[in-house]
Amino acid sequence: AQSVTQPDIHITVSEGASLELRCNYSYGATPYLFWYVQSPGQGLQLLLKYFSGDTLVQGIKGFEAEFKRSQSSFNLRKPSVHWSDAAEYFCAVGVGGFGNEKLTFGTGTRLTIIP
Amino acid sequence: GAVVSQHPSWVICKSGTSVKIECRSLDFQATTMFWYRQFPKQSLMLMATSNEGSKATYEQGVEKDKFLINHASLTLSTLTVTSAHPEDSSFYICSARGGVAGETQYFGPGTRLLVL
Repeated sequence: AQSVTQPDIHITVSEGASLELRCNYSYGATPYLFWYVQSPGQGLQLLLKYFSGDTLVQGIKGFEAEFKRSQSSFNLRKPSVHWSDAAEYFCAVGVGGFGNEKLTFGTGTRLTIIP
Repeated sequence: GAVVSQHPSWVICKSGTSVKIECRSLDFQATTMFWYRQFPKQSLMLMATSNEGSKATYEQGVEKDKFLINHASLTLSTLTVTSAHPEDSSFYICSARGGVAGETQYFGPGTRLLVL
C-alpha cells in the first residue's frame, strides 16, 4: 500500500527566508504527487501536482516542487516566504489511474512565519 | 477556480442522534465526491468515494451503516453520521472532482462535528 511521510511536524521560518518542506512517498509504481495547503477555516487548496514529464513543477503562490524518483521524494520549495504562507501543508500521493486517483495524505507540516 | 461548500461548518449533537453534512460543488458538476475524516493534528483519511447515481465505495475499516453517503446529483453529496457517539467527533472534509481525466480534486472547508 502507498504511504506518505512528512518528517517535519512543525517548521518556523523568518519572513523572506527560503523554505523547503520534505515529503517522501512509498508506492510501487510511478506516483501522482500533490501538495496542498490548508488554512484555518478554508478548504485544502492545491499548490501543485506532478503526473509526468518535467520533474520540477511550478505551482501557485511562488511554490515549486521537485520529483526525485531515486529518493522517493517530492519536496516543496519557495525562495522567499511571506507571512501569508503560514498554514498547514500536506503532501499526497494519488493512486488508481490517471483521472481516477484516490489520495493518500501525509500527516502535514505546520509552517509558522516569524517577522 | 472551482468552489466546494459544506454545510454546516460545525455542529454539536447529543449522543445517539444522527447528523447530516452536505457537500456541494457550486460551479461545476462533480461526477465523483470524496469524504475524508481528519483528527486533530493528523492527516486526512479517506472514508469513501461516491459517484453520482451509484453506491459509495467505502475504505477498509469504515462502517457503511454508520456513515451513510448519498450522491444524488452532480452537485450534491451528503454524509449522514447515524447514531453518533463521542468517538465520531472529528473534522469531516469533502472533495469533488469533475469528469475530465486528470481533473483536480477541490476541497470543501470542512465540518467540525462534536458529539456530546
